[in-house]
Amino acid sequence: AQKVTQAQTEISVVEKEDVTLDCVYETRDTTYYLFWYKQPPSGELVFLIRRNSFDEQNEISGRYSWNFQKSTSSFNFTITASQVVDSAVYFCALSGFANFGNEKLTFGTGTRLTIIP
Amino acid sequence: DAGVTQSPTHLIKTRGQQVTLRCSPKSGHDTVSWYQQALGQGPQFIFQYYEEEERQRGNFPDRFSGHQFPNYSSELNVNALLLGDSALYLCASSWDRELNSPLHFGNGTRLTVT
Repeated sequence: AQKVTQAQTEISVVEKEDVTLDCVYETRDTTYYLFWYKQPPSGELVFLIRRNSFDEQNEISGRYSWNFQKSTSSFNFTITASQVVDSAVYFCALSGFANFGNEKLTFGTGTRLTIIP
Repeated sequence: DAGVTQSPTHLIKTRGQQVTLRCSPKSGHDTVSWYQQALGQGPQFIFQYYEEEERQRGNFPDRFSGHQFPNYSSELNVNALLLGDSALYLCASSWDRELNSPLHFGNGTRLTVT
């Protein structure tokens, strides 16, 4: 069975501070994918990043960066110089490898991030 | 380029009633997945449709059923509604030939059962 744990339920930081959202996962699959999604108040889940289990390189995209460590089964997300527009609920998700299409996503319970102006 | 569209946006039903939610996938996508998101929780996988058939199913009772049409749009039906069915129902689409691709989600339908 797959499981994703986001221990931080809510985080509040002052604008321009850096913030890290934690994600720990469990899976017996040797090949799998990890995702981060952002959910603004509108409800739509917005894709941020996908990582496969063979690629442990950290990734940076503008103010966003991700740290994937298989040894600790973690896939953490850092926002540098946070902005009010970053306020949302962030979900970490896990899927197995699909031979066709997509495997189902297993989501964590999410972290509500509030950026205080 | 239209994204994933869902209707209605909000819905209020009474216990025991039946409900149908609708989803049109992003242009070019042929696979539709449905997720249920209870308040304060992460989305949970209900099922996935491809080529008008259910291809994968999560741990949901048979009261939850679906359908996919030849134009790839999809419906989610829930019978004998329970209070616990109150949630945000999210539809996501993808293209079957792009393996393990990120899903594109709609804004969801907020279902309230009273």
